Amino acid sequence: GAVVSQHPSRVICKSGTSVKIECRSLDFQATTMFWYRQFPKQSLMLMATSNEGSKATYEQGVEKDKFLINHASLTLSTLTVTSAHPEDSSFYICSAPPSSYLGGYTFGSGTRLTVV
Amino acid sequence: RKEVEQDPGPFNVPEGATVAFNCTYSNSASQSFFWYRQDCRKEPKLLMSVYSSGNEDGRFTAQLNRASQYISLLIRDSKLSDSATYLCVVNLGASNTGKLIFGQGTTLQVKP
Repeated sequence: GAVVSQHPSRVICKSGTSVKIECRSLDFQATTMFWYRQFPKQSLMLMATSNEGSKATYEQGVEKDKFLINHASLTLSTLTVTSAHPEDSSFYICSAPPSSYLGGYTFGSGTRLTVV
Repeated sequence: RKEVEQDPGPFNVPEGATVAFNCTYSNSASQSFFWYRQDCRKEPKLLMSVYSSGNEDGRFTAQLNRASQYISLLIRDSKLSDSATYLCVVNLGASNTGKLIFGQGTTLQVKP
């Protein structure tokens, strides 16, 4: 089945630095990629939708200058957390839509970001 | 009001028990519905799609009531390996590129 490879799985960084998270579709082309964030004991919250060849669409309340999304090709989407702060510490996960209407979305394995 | 609401639990049940989870959604225009399973610190994995007529997959049965905007998941003969968080998920879009809206999840602990 479809596989989305997400890296890194875990990262610890200092406040003020930037972190890039990559999601690659391994055996299919993903024209769209969804980026979610999940805080402990909370649901996955959609941050933004990246589209190959065009600007990402951000959800209300998500700072586009802080969370830079690039969909460089049909197999690669990246999320860069710029000037990270401890409150950005969270579980970030990408997802590609299914090939059929009632199919499940394919999720990356997630990135656990800790900002110290 | 949350777009997708679930009782967070936890539900603590013995092996072999039958357990049911409920979920309500607020947007009547929602198009498709799913149950995902999430293990601790892992990505969600599709458990099953939920069809209007209800559907069953082994020990798992999902039901959808569009009039009441209510979704359920029934797990029969619980196994220790069923311990996880179960996410009720709704697709608002009319196509397969629509946004997924996740419930908070219901935690299940199956005990020996």
